[in-house]
Amino acid sequence: DTAVSQTPKYLVTQMGNDKSIKCEQNLGHDTMYWYKQDSKKFLKIMFSYNNKELIINETVPNRFSPKSPDKAHLNLHINSLELGDSAVYFCASSQGMGESYEQYFGPGTRLTVT
Amino acid sequence: GDSVTQMEGPVTLSEEAFLTINCTYTATGYPSLFWYVQYPGEGLQLLLKATKADDKGSNKGFEATYRKETTSFHLEKGSVQVSDSAVYFCALNGGYNKLIFGAGTRLAVHP
Repeated sequence: DTAVSQTPKYLVTQMGNDKSIKCEQNLGHDTMYWYKQDSKKFLKIMFSYNNKELIINETVPNRFSPKSPDKAHLNLHINSLELGDSAVYFCASSQGMGESYEQYFGPGTRLTVT
Repeated sequence: GDSVTQMEGPVTLSEEAFLTINCTYTATGYPSLFWYVQYPGEGLQLLLKATKADDKGSNKGFEATYRKETTSFHLEKGSVQVSDSAVYFCALNGGYNKLIFGAGTRLAVHP
């Protein structure tokens, strides 16, 4: 069983479209995250949720909206896609927000905007 | 703000060579430090961590020691294998379990 899963694995779409990426974890964790990895492999956190509550909201355009319907899911919706949104998006989860809690990463979703 | 600086790659080594990947950090206080590894086409996996000064994290033959006097957390392995080829990320915990990553260092090990 995959601990942290993401769908889809690949997403190719045109500028201006709206798309969603889904993330699910079966670890029973309370905290989930979205990270963005750009073409140079640089990783940066976007959001985190703890028990469905938004905790971290980095400087991310309003076009990005995370939604957590329950503790096991954290989806990322992107409106009006732009070329610069092309990246690999990683979901992660941890048991809690404390520093001792390891983050488990999903396999990533490669988004290509044309 | 908090930040992590890693040596630029790629690092290319022969099998059984000694590996060092340098990592330094800037932070308020003494955050937990991590090394993550990303194999081709996969997500990140925690390789090792250290939560306080002078702690040594180790796993799979890799080691790193938390040095607060030099604000460093260098990754070392005595004898690399081809299977160690991956991208290695140094990271610190910036509060609320927010990971702040370095730019990553690609390691290529050839037979």
